[in-house]
Amino acid sequence: GESVGLHLPTLSVQEGDNSIINCAYSNSASDYFIWYKQESGKGPQFIIDIRSNMDKRQGQRVTVLLNKTVKHLSLQIAATQPGDSAVYFCADSGNFGNEKLTFGTGTRLTIIP
Amino acid sequence: DSGVTQTPKHLITATGQRVTLRCSPRSGDLSVYWYQQSLDQGLQFLIQYYNGEERAKGNILERFSAQQFPDLHSELNLSSLELGDSALYFCASSVAPSPWGGSYTFGSGTRLTVV
Repeated sequence: GESVGLHLPTLSVQEGDNSIINCAYSNSASDYFIWYKQESGKGPQFIIDIRSNMDKRQGQRVTVLLNKTVKHLSLQIAATQPGDSAVYFCADSGNFGNEKLTFGTGTRLTIIP
Repeated sequence: DSGVTQTPKHLITATGQRVTLRCSPRSGDLSVYWYQQSLDQGLQFLIQYYNGEERAKGNILERFSAQQFPDLHSELNLSSLELGDSALYFCASSVAPSPWGGSYTFGSGTRLTVV
């Protein structure tokens, strides 16, 4: 079946630095992607999304980049804070109208004070 | 508080037993999704209901079943439990049957431990 994968399982970043979390997807027909943040003991929390007709989208301190040519997605977090420590998942809704999300295995981001 | 309520938060049971996990969606949301998260894994889609009707099915085992009631709360039934069923079970809800626009809202999950 289709899969969404992550390049690195863990990432440690100094507080105040920028972090980049990467994700590869396999379904070339995927047209909607979401990044989620999951803190310990909590459910995933929506961060930012992007549609396949865009290559960049910015939110508050976060930017998602989409490269459809190589089927790659990244999440950039600017000026990281201790509260950014969490597991980050990318998710893919596959073809248009597909109502379920396919999640990657996650990257654990640790912010070093 | 996300508005999606899952009970119980923790559940410990023996192999072969049956359990029921409950989810109350956010007010106004008609769609409920169930996901399973095993240790250090991503979330695996199990099943979706929209306004009482089954809408989509993932790799849900035959031992598992779910339903959505007229008041829109949903229950996930897990039977003949095996050790490998130990996981976090998340419920998400959205107003429409789609994750578009970040409309999914997840609950805090039920941690099931099968011993």
